[in-house]
Amino acid sequence: DAGVTQSPTHLIKTRGQQVTLRCSPKSGHDTVSWYQQALGQGPQFIFQYYEEEERQRGNFPDRFSGHQFPNYSSELNVNALLLGDSALYLCASSPLPGATGSNTIYFGEGSWLTVV
Amino acid sequence: GNSVTQMEGPVTLSEEAFLTINCTYTATGYPSLFWYVQYPGEGLQLLLKATKADDKGSNKGFEATYRKETTSFHLEKGSVQVSDSAVYFCAANSGGSNYKLTFGKGTLLTVNP
Repeated sequence: DAGVTQSPTHLIKTRGQQVTLRCSPKSGHDTVSWYQQALGQGPQFIFQYYEEEERQRGNFPDRFSGHQFPNYSSELNVNALLLGDSALYLCASSPLPGATGSNTIYFGEGSWLTVV
Repeated sequence: GNSVTQMEGPVTLSEEAFLTINCTYTATGYPSLFWYVQYPGEGLQLLLKATKADDKGSNKGFEATYRKETTSFHLEKGSVQVSDSAVYFCAANSGGSNYKLTFGKGTLLTVNP
């Protein structure tokens, strides 16, 4: 059973560019969340997707946007990259609300983004 | 909103020493509480969880008890190993169908042989 998978693993972008990160949730999970983890910090919640809609959003600017596809996979897009966007971006998935284990979130290994 | 505070690191121990990493939370409602571990260069792995007051989560020799009266969820292990060296994060959600986790800043644990 594959867990949460993310791509790419590492990437380097230039200030002002745009980036797209991808996530496939764990089998049987249909809720996907994205987190940003700056170096030496705990992860910060960006947003959550369920049924292809953004359900909750953290304190991140509109430059951060996302999408969820019918197969539950998800993308995180960041526009107009800033140096401060350099971080590990983590995708997390969980089962349907009310399902067994639905309060437990499973994380992928993340995508390391460096903005130069 | 929720907040999680965990003890500042780094923590350095010798093999077989006793480990405690303190974690306290503030939350509306009744959160579920979690400990995640992050090994160097890797993502987060769920270590243990507790969903209600007085629950004890345990895994791989680690344990933590959900203390509502002190709003705490301290992580303990009786005898640490070199392989336990990692960053440990305490986290809380808002229970129910809320999947948003609030994390502490993490505690780096180094275990020396």
